[in-house]
Amino acid sequence: EIVLTQSPATLSLSPGERATLSCRASQSLSRYLAWYQQKPGQPPRLLIYDASNRATGIPARFSGSGSGTDFTLTISNLEPEDVAVYYCQHRSTGFTFGPGTKVDIK
Amino acid sequence: EVQLVESGGGLVQPGGSLRLSCADSGFSFRSYWMSWVRQFPGKGLQWVANINQDASEINYVDSVKGRFTISRDNAKNSLYLQMHGLTAEDTAVYYCARVVLGGWFDPWGQGTLVTVSS
Repeated sequence: EIVLTQSPATLSLSPGERATLSCRASQSLSRYLAWYQQKPGQPPRLLIYDASNRATGIPARFSGSGSGTDFTLTISNLEPEDVAVYYCQHRSTGFTFGPGTKVDIK
Repeated sequence: EVQLVESGGGLVQPGGSLRLSCADSGFSFRSYWMSWVRQFPGKGLQWVANINQDASEINYVDSVKGRFTISRDNAKNSLYLQMHGLTAEDTAVYYCARVVLGGWFDPWGQGTLVTVSS
Protein backbone atom coordinates (compact mmCIF):
# COMPACT_ATOMS: atom_id res chain seq x y z
CA GLU A 1 0.00 0.00 0.00
CA ILE A 2 1.27 3.44 -0.95
CA VAL A 3 1.49 5.83 2.00
CA LEU A 4 1.27 9.60 1.56
CA THR A 5 2.93 11.91 4.08
CA GLN A 6 2.14 15.63 4.19
CA SER A 7 4.13 18.42 5.76
CA PRO A 8 3.89 20.63 7.63
CA ALA A 9 0.84 19.59 9.66
CA THR A 10 -0.10 23.24 10.15
CA LEU A 11 0.97 26.36 8.31
CA SER A 12 0.22 29.84 9.63
CA LEU A 13 0.93 32.73 7.29
CA SER A 14 -0.07 36.32 6.69
CA PRO A 15 -2.28 37.43 3.80
CA GLY A 16 -0.24 37.91 0.63
CA GLU A 17 2.43 35.39 1.62
CA ARG A 18 3.26 32.23 -0.30
CA ALA A 19 2.24 28.85 1.13
CA THR A 20 4.27 25.79 0.19
CA LEU A 21 2.73 22.41 1.06
CA SER A 22 4.51 19.09 0.60
CA CYS A 23 3.25 15.60 -0.14
CA ARG A 24 5.66 12.67 -0.18
CA ALA A 25 4.78 9.15 -1.39
CA SER A 26 6.29 5.88 -0.18
CA GLN A 27 6.82 4.81 -3.79
CA SER A 28 6.78 6.45 -7.19
CA LEU A 29 3.44 7.79 -8.40
CA SER A 30 4.68 9.15 -11.72
CA ARG A 31 2.40 12.21 -11.89
CA TYR A 32 -0.74 10.51 -10.53
CA LEU A 33 -1.35 12.89 -7.66
CA ALA A 34 -4.14 15.33 -6.85
CA TRP A 35 -4.71 18.06 -4.29
CA TYR A 36 -8.02 18.87 -2.59
CA GLN A 37 -9.11 21.84 -0.47
CA GLN A 38 -11.59 21.35 2.37
CA LYS A 39 -12.98 24.44 4.04
CA PRO A 40 -14.74 24.13 7.42
CA GLY A 41 -18.16 22.54 7.08
CA GLN A 42 -17.70 21.76 3.38
CA PRO A 43 -16.77 18.67 1.38
CA PRO A 44 -13.35 18.48 -0.27
CA ARG A 45 -12.93 20.24 -3.60
CA LEU A 46 -10.55 19.15 -6.35
CA LEU A 47 -7.84 21.77 -6.90
CA ILE A 48 -5.05 20.09 -8.86
CA TYR A 49 -4.91 16.79 -10.73
CA ASP A 50 -2.11 14.90 -12.45
CA ALA A 51 0.34 16.83 -10.25
CA SER A 52 0.09 20.19 -11.99
CA ASN A 53 -3.25 20.66 -13.79
CA ARG A 54 -5.69 23.08 -12.21
CA ALA A 55 -9.28 21.85 -12.04
CA THR A 56 -12.08 23.91 -13.57
CA GLY A 57 -12.63 27.24 -11.84
CA ILE A 58 -9.55 27.07 -9.63
CA PRO A 59 -7.69 30.40 -9.35
CA ALA A 60 -4.26 30.69 -10.87
CA ARG A 61 -2.68 31.38 -7.47
CA PHE A 62 -2.93 27.62 -6.85
CA SER A 63 -0.22 25.61 -8.58
CA GLY A 64 1.11 22.08 -8.30
CA SER A 65 4.44 20.56 -9.16
CA GLY A 66 6.45 17.39 -8.73
CA SER A 67 6.64 13.81 -9.92
CA GLY A 68 7.75 10.45 -8.63
CA THR A 69 7.63 10.66 -4.83
CA ASP A 70 7.78 14.40 -4.08
CA PHE A 71 5.00 16.84 -4.82
CA THR A 72 4.28 20.45 -3.89
CA LEU A 73 1.17 22.61 -3.76
CA THR A 74 1.91 26.32 -3.83
CA ILE A 75 -0.58 29.01 -2.94
CA SER A 76 0.84 32.34 -4.00
CA ASN A 77 -0.54 35.54 -2.56
CA LEU A 78 -2.49 33.83 0.26
CA GLU A 79 -6.02 35.13 0.81
CA PRO A 80 -8.22 34.76 3.93
CA GLU A 81 -10.60 32.53 1.96
CA ASP A 82 -7.78 30.01 1.51
CA VAL A 83 -8.06 28.94 5.17
CA ALA A 84 -8.68 25.21 4.83
CA VAL A 85 -7.18 21.76 5.13
CA TYR A 86 -5.39 20.58 2.02
CA TYR A 87 -5.17 16.88 1.19
CA CYS A 88 -3.16 15.06 -1.43
CA GLN A 89 -4.45 11.85 -3.04
CA HIS A 90 -2.97 9.27 -5.37
CA ARG A 91 -4.62 6.92 -7.85
CA SER A 92 -1.63 4.74 -8.62
CA THR A 93 -2.77 1.50 -6.97
CA GLY A 94 -6.12 2.04 -5.32
CA PHE A 95 -6.84 5.46 -3.89
CA THR A 96 -5.39 6.87 -0.69
CA PHE A 97 -5.22 10.30 0.85
CA GLY A 98 -2.58 12.07 2.86
CA PRO A 99 -3.35 13.23 6.42
CA GLY A 100 -3.71 16.87 5.38
CA THR A 101 -2.07 20.24 6.01
CA LYS A 102 -4.06 22.90 7.80
CA VAL A 103 -3.51 26.44 6.49
CA ASP A 104 -4.32 29.29 8.86
CA ILE A 105 -4.12 33.04 8.45
CA LYS A 106 -2.15 34.98 11.07
CA GLU B 1 -23.92 22.56 -12.25
CA VAL B 2 -23.76 18.99 -11.03
CA GLN B 3 -25.11 18.43 -7.55
CA LEU B 4 -24.76 15.26 -5.55
CA VAL B 5 -27.02 14.82 -2.53
CA GLU B 6 -26.51 12.00 -0.05
CA SER B 7 -29.11 10.65 2.34
CA GLY B 8 -29.70 7.70 4.62
CA GLY B 9 -27.17 8.33 7.36
CA GLY B 10 -27.99 8.14 11.05
CA LEU B 11 -27.35 6.40 14.33
CA VAL B 12 -27.14 2.61 14.19
CA GLN B 13 -26.15 0.00 16.75
CA PRO B 14 -23.04 -2.13 16.30
CA GLY B 15 -23.81 -5.02 13.99
CA GLY B 16 -26.61 -3.09 12.33
CA SER B 17 -27.25 -2.14 8.73
CA LEU B 18 -27.81 1.07 6.83
CA ARG B 19 -28.38 2.00 3.20
CA LEU B 20 -26.99 5.25 1.87
CA SER B 21 -28.26 6.93 -1.28
CA CYS B 22 -26.78 9.60 -3.51
CA ALA B 23 -28.87 11.50 -6.05
CA ASP B 24 -27.11 13.11 -9.00
CA SER B 25 -28.91 16.13 -10.45
CA GLY B 26 -26.79 16.16 -13.60
CA PHE B 27 -27.56 14.73 -17.00
CA SER B 28 -24.48 12.55 -17.37
CA PHE B 29 -24.65 10.26 -14.35
CA ARG B 30 -24.59 7.12 -16.51
CA SER B 31 -21.32 8.26 -18.14
CA TYR B 32 -19.19 8.26 -15.01
CA TRP B 33 -17.59 5.94 -12.56
CA MET B 34 -18.88 6.82 -9.08
CA SER B 35 -17.34 6.40 -5.64
CA TRP B 36 -18.05 6.54 -1.94
CA VAL B 37 -15.41 8.21 0.22
CA ARG B 38 -15.65 8.54 3.98
CA GLN B 39 -14.16 10.99 6.45
CA PHE B 40 -13.50 9.81 9.97
CA PRO B 41 -14.11 12.01 13.02
CA GLY B 42 -10.38 12.73 13.22
CA LYS B 43 -10.74 14.12 9.65
CA GLY B 44 -8.84 11.43 7.77
CA LEU B 45 -10.25 10.54 4.33
CA GLN B 46 -10.66 6.99 3.05
CA TRP B 47 -11.90 5.80 -0.33
CA VAL B 48 -14.54 3.12 0.31
CA ALA B 49 -15.79 1.77 -3.03
CA ASN B 50 -16.27 2.57 -6.67
CA ILE B 51 -18.44 1.33 -9.51
CA ASN B 52 -18.18 1.76 -13.26
CA GLN B 53 -20.83 3.02 -15.62
CA ASP B 54 -22.73 -0.25 -16.09
CA ALA B 55 -21.85 -1.81 -12.72
CA SER B 56 -19.68 -4.46 -14.36
CA GLU B 57 -16.60 -3.34 -12.38
CA ILE B 58 -16.74 -2.78 -8.63
CA ASN B 59 -13.92 -2.28 -6.14
CA TYR B 60 -13.79 -1.95 -2.35
CA VAL B 61 -11.24 -1.02 0.26
CA ASP B 62 -10.23 -4.15 2.16
CA SER B 63 -11.83 -3.07 5.44
CA VAL B 64 -15.36 -3.13 4.00
CA LYS B 65 -15.17 -6.13 1.67
CA GLY B 66 -17.93 -8.61 2.42
CA ARG B 67 -19.88 -6.06 4.47
CA PHE B 68 -20.61 -3.16 2.08
CA THR B 69 -22.20 -3.28 -1.37
CA ILE B 70 -22.09 -0.42 -3.86
CA SER B 71 -24.73 -0.24 -6.59
CA ARG B 72 -26.30 2.24 -8.96
CA ASP B 73 -29.53 2.87 -10.85
CA ASN B 74 -28.79 4.89 -13.97
CA ALA B 75 -32.50 5.37 -14.70
CA LYS B 76 -32.82 7.15 -11.36
CA ASN B 77 -29.43 8.91 -11.47
CA SER B 78 -28.70 7.33 -8.12
CA LEU B 79 -25.82 5.65 -6.32
CA TYR B 80 -26.20 3.44 -3.26
CA LEU B 81 -24.11 1.94 -0.47
CA GLN B 82 -25.61 -0.94 1.48
CA MET B 83 -23.74 -1.41 4.74
CA HIS B 84 -23.99 -4.47 7.01
CA GLY B 85 -22.10 -5.54 10.12
CA LEU B 86 -21.35 -1.96 11.11
CA THR B 87 -18.78 -1.29 13.82
CA ALA B 88 -17.66 1.84 15.64
CA GLU B 89 -14.77 2.06 13.17
CA ASP B 90 -17.32 2.74 10.39
CA THR B 91 -18.42 5.97 12.08
CA ALA B 92 -17.75 8.70 9.54
CA VAL B 93 -19.24 11.21 7.13
CA TYR B 94 -19.90 9.37 3.88
CA TYR B 95 -19.51 11.31 0.64
CA CYS B 96 -20.43 10.27 -2.85
CA ALA B 97 -18.28 11.63 -5.65
CA ARG B 98 -17.87 11.38 -9.39
CA VAL B 99 -14.67 9.82 -10.58
CA VAL B 100 -13.12 11.92 -13.32
CA LEU B 101 -10.01 11.98 -15.47
CA GLY B 102 -9.03 8.45 -14.55
CA GLY B 103 -9.24 8.57 -10.80
CA TRP B 104 -9.91 11.94 -9.22
CA PHE B 105 -13.01 12.80 -7.21
CA ASP B 106 -15.02 15.76 -8.50
CA PRO B 107 -17.50 16.94 -7.42
CA TRP B 108 -18.37 15.67 -3.95
CA GLY B 109 -21.73 15.71 -2.24
CA GLN B 110 -22.26 17.39 1.11
CA GLY B 111 -22.03 14.07 2.92
CA THR B 112 -24.19 12.06 5.30
CA LEU B 113 -23.12 11.17 8.84
CA VAL B 114 -23.13 7.56 9.96
CA THR B 115 -22.68 6.97 13.68
CA VAL B 116 -22.29 3.45 14.99
CA SER B 117 -22.88 3.34 18.72
CA SER B 118 -24.90 1.52 21.34
